[in-house]
Amino acid sequence: EAGVTQFPSHSVIEKGQTVTLRCDPISGHDNLYWYRRVMGKEIKFLLHFVKESKQDESGMPNNRFLAERTGGTYSTLKVQPAELEDSGVYFCASSLNNSPLHFGNGTRLTVT
Amino acid sequence: AQSVSQHNHHVILSEAASLELGCNYSYGGTVNLFWYVQYPGQHLQLLLKYFSGDPLVKGIKGFEAEFIKSKFSFNLRKPSVQWSDTAEYFCAVISGGSNYKLTFGKGTLLTVNP
Repeated sequence: EAGVTQFPSHSVIEKGQTVTLRCDPISGHDNLYWYRRVMGKEIKFLLHFVKESKQDESGMPNNRFLAERTGGTYSTLKVQPAELEDSGVYFCASSLNNSPLHFGNGTRLTVT
Repeated sequence: AQSVSQHNHHVILSEAASLELGCNYSYGGTVNLFWYVQYPGQHLQLLLKYFSGDPLVKGIKGFEAEFIKSKFSFNLRKPSVQWSDTAEYFCAVISGGSNYKLTFGKGTLLTVNP
């Protein structure tokens, strides 16, 4: 089966610009998650979708981050406007209920 | 808040050496424990997991981990490493009834020299 795919693999933007990251989960996986790893720190939970609904967005750092999952398939994570501290690797994962998470390769975001 | 500590930031070994990566977590209740691995240029992959039962868990590629509840530890081991084991290893825990909100350690970079 195809794994979780993320696009782009790497994005370099200037402070103040907008970036949209995309995640395509494994087909049939209702659960979709976003995690983020800032350099030198832990991978941290951002939010969780069940189908198109946000189940838990307690990890979202601030209102510059907007995640959507229209139609319950792919998800986007938009950062607007980007700040320097947003640099890091953004991981997406998907799962079936009560099964381990399957992660994508991540998107490396660099804000200059 | 719960946390996960990985003792080593970077471990360098020669092939055939034995490996033990430390992981401790801070949470007093029921936990599910995981080790993930990220090979260069690849996605995070699940190496092994512990939910209940035998505290010695065997995973893929010859890895195993032992859950010691009294020590709040879940150390990863492999008796003989290979160059292909070069990767970053992450310990993670799920607790408090959540079945998805992983708390990760900072990761340990393992370099195996041929």
